[in-house]
Amino acid sequence: SQTIHQWPATLVQPVGSPLSLECTVEGTSNPNLYWYRQAAGRGLQLLFYSVGIGQISSEVPQNLSASRPQDRQFILSSKKLLLSDSGFYLCAWSDRGGGYTFGSGTRLTVV
Amino acid sequence: AQTVTQSQPEMSVQEAETVTLSCTYDTSESDYYLFWYKQPPSRQMILVIRQEAYKQQNATENRFSVNFQKAAKSFSLKISDSQLGDAAMYFCAYRRSFNYGGATNKLIFGTGTLLAVQP
Repeated sequence: SQTIHQWPATLVQPVGSPLSLECTVEGTSNPNLYWYRQAAGRGLQLLFYSVGIGQISSEVPQNLSASRPQDRQFILSSKKLLLSDSGFYLCAWSDRGGGYTFGSGTRLTVV
Repeated sequence: AQTVTQSQPEMSVQEAETVTLSCTYDTSESDYYLFWYKQPPSRQMILVIRQEAYKQQNATENRFSVNFQKAAKSFSLKISDSQLGDAAMYFCAYRRSFNYGGATNKLIFGTGTLLAVQP
């Protein structure tokens, strides 16, 4: 069966520090991968999606970047965090059957 | 562009009663998927139910069912025999079909409805 792992679960980082959130998928190949952000009390906003290794598309301009170094690995990064980067980050993958599976999320607090 | 609207920011239901959460969407496409996701306090996104637009029959999963009105672009979720564990944020979401090609097929979310279940 397919599983998705996302870590860390919680992160507190100072302003200006770098960020690296990792997501890996097991049990499937060539998945579509996504990074979403959820601000407190709000819906989910798509940040990045990837349809293959090295292929990244950005939905909104921002301080973050994403990379896909391996087929089942998706990384969200920042060189210098801003206070506005605080939020709940969710990784997800999708299959051709329409289903979306989400990771357990990372709660990022920038202080 | 496709949009999803949930007009009820908060809802409340008594335990064992039935509640309906509303969702409308806008799209020019004829083939797509619709979903309801549940997000409990743990913030894990849990798929509750999904509907393929080409299917006329409304999807059902145990106590959860939908009323899919394609012409009206409406997709409501009915929760029967509500339980305390149903308390969560519920998101309606849209996704275009792979038949349209392209590779994004991103999930477009509504703003959510916070459901409280009263004992």
